[in-house]
Amino acid sequence: KAGVTQTPRYLIKTRGQQVTLSCSPISGHRSVSWYQQTPGQGLQFLFEYFSETQRNKGNFPGRFSGRQFSNSRSEMNVSTLELGDSALYLCASSLWGTLSYEQYFGPGTRLTVT
Amino acid sequence: GENVEQHPSTLSVQEGDSAVIKCTYSDSASNYFPWYKQELGKRPQLIIDIRSNVGEKKDQRIAVTLNKTAKHFSLHITETQPEDSAVYFCAAMYSGGGADGLTFGKGTHLIIQP
Repeated sequence: KAGVTQTPRYLIKTRGQQVTLSCSPISGHRSVSWYQQTPGQGLQFLFEYFSETQRNKGNFPGRFSGRQFSNSRSEMNVSTLELGDSALYLCASSLWGTLSYEQYFGPGTRLTVT
Repeated sequence: GENVEQHPSTLSVQEGDSAVIKCTYSDSASNYFPWYKQELGKRPQLIIDIRSNVGEKKDQRIAVTLNKTAKHFSLHITETQPEDSAVYFCAAMYSGGGADGLTFGKGTHLIIQP
């Protein structure tokens, strides 16, 4: 089975721009969670999607949003980028979300905001 | 929300010795506790997990223990090898519906000295 994939792997954007990141979960997995990883804050939960619905959301501003499609692929969007948004964005997929707990991470998208 | 503390931040051990990493959590409702290993430039990989109805779980050289009363859990690695060098993250989550995603500790940089 193919693992979790994320595109693009690297991205450089300018302050004020917006960006869309994509995540394809493991085949059959219906839950996709997004995390931000930075040296200072570590790994922080952004949100989780299950069956095209956002089920949970972490403590991030409304500039961070996402969606999930019927094939379970998910996208994350960040609008009005700030320097502090520079981070590794990781998505993780899970079979049933809360009923099957194991989350498997993708390779991440390294976002640099200049 | 959940808060996870992880210690130590850096751990250096001689090859062949054992390593222990400890985490505490704040939310007594949390019932799922995974451990991830992240090598430099790579994605976090799930290495072992434990649920709150179990006190200990082993997988070859790796074991995890959970003390629900004290709200702490630990990762034990025996007979350490050079390939064990990485950053290890503990996490906690309530999986019974309305999950807030994984809350991670800040990580432990494990260094195996030859």
